[in-house]
Amino acid sequence: AQSVAQPEDQVNVAEGNPLTVKCTYSVSGNPYLFWYVQYPNRGLQFLLKYITGDNLVKGSYGFEAEFNKSQTSFHLKKPSALVSDSALYFCAVRDRGVMNRDDKIIFGKGTRLHILP
Amino acid sequence: DSGVTQTPKHLITATGQRVTLRCSPRSGDLSVYWYQQSLDQGLQFLIQYYNGEERAKGNILERFSAQQFPDLHSELNLSSLELGDSALYFCASSPGTGGSNEQYFGPGTRLTVT
Repeated sequence: AQSVAQPEDQVNVAEGNPLTVKCTYSVSGNPYLFWYVQYPNRGLQFLLKYITGDNLVKGSYGFEAEFNKSQTSFHLKKPSALVSDSALYFCAVRDRGVMNRDDKIIFGKGTRLHILP
Repeated sequence: DSGVTQTPKHLITATGQRVTLRCSPRSGDLSVYWYQQSLDQGLQFLIQYYNGEERAKGNILERFSAQQFPDLHSELNLSSLELGDSALYFCASSPGTGGSNEQYFGPGTRLTVT
């Protein structure tokens, strides 16, 4: 079965510093990978996705993610963190199921990002 | 605002009861997904409907069921409720089906079972 792992429960970064939220994946075949963000008391919001092509994917709110096939990673990055980036971040992967039945997205456990003023 | 609406926002009920959660997808979206978010289990995929038909199934208990109606809104029915069913329940929608589509999430229904 396909899966993603987010090794850090929480990441603390000072405002203005670059941030990285880590994600590794385990899939058979080519991966479809996603990042979502959840602000307090809100539903998840789509940030970006990788399907094929350029390994550096640009998304919403200045975020980008780097796909690394050899390291099976898809880390989320931002050059300069804002206090408003504080939220819960989820990495996700497509799971095609059996014979494309039960084709769905599997989410990681989430990483809480704290941006310190 | 994602365009996905969920009602009610909060629900408090007792063990053994049955509740119905409602979701209206974004205009034009044919797929509806249901998720359960709890502190210990994280975000768990429950079930997906596409244009009225069940398309994908996740970790959905037999006590739970869902359907999607001709107007594309969906309902998640939870019965014989247990304390452990207390969680946030999210609905999401997308234009197509399959795991390659980004999903648009509603604000959630917070269920508390006492």
